[in-house]
Amino acid sequence: AQSVTQLGSHVSVSEGALVLLRCNYSSSVPPYLFWYVQYPNQGLQLLLKYTTGATLVKGINGFEAEFKKSETSFHLTKPSAHMSDAAEYFCAVFSGGYNKLIFGAGTRLAVHP
Amino acid sequence: DAGVTQSPTHLIKTRGQQVTLRCSPKSGHDTVSWYQQALGQGPQFIFQYYEEEERQRGNFPDRFSGHQFPNYSSELNVNALLLGDSALYLCASSLGRKQAEQYFGPGTRLTVT
Repeated sequence: AQSVTQLGSHVSVSEGALVLLRCNYSSSVPPYLFWYVQYPNQGLQLLLKYTTGATLVKGINGFEAEFKKSETSFHLTKPSAHMSDAAEYFCAVFSGGYNKLIFGAGTRLAVHP
Repeated sequence: DAGVTQSPTHLIKTRGQQVTLRCSPKSGHDTVSWYQQALGQGPQFIFQYYEEEERQRGNFPDRFSGHQFPNYSSELNVNALLLGDSALYLCASSLGRKQAEQYFGPGTRLTVT
């Protein structure tokens, strides 16, 4: 069965610091991986996705993630945090057998001045 | 290009009542999936509708049912509401039922008292 684990339910960084949000997945087939962001009282917005090809994928708002098969990881990074990045971030894997997204529990990112 | 829309935004119901939530998919999309996001958790897959039929179902009881209309819009119905049904209900649309990339609506916040 496929699953997603997000390490750290809360991450706090200073404005301008590196953002690193961790995601590990379990999948018996080549995974399709996603990062979504959720601002308070809103739905999910797609940040970036990995399907095939280049393992370093760039998304919106300066975020990027690297697919590492050997480590079964898909960590999300941003070189310099901005106050507007404060939100909940969800990593997800697509289950092709069930045509559904399987989400991690989420990581709440706080950005301090 | 209209994105995914959901109505209503918020809803308060009493235990035992029934509720209907509505979703219009992104323009050009023909598949709708519903997810339940309890407070502090990641979204959980409820079911998927394609060609007006339920195609996949997650681990939710029969109290949860749905419908898809010829214009691809969808409804989620929940009968005999329980306190534990309080959550944010997210609708996601895609082009094709095996498409991994899904676009989410803003959600309907259901509170059961």
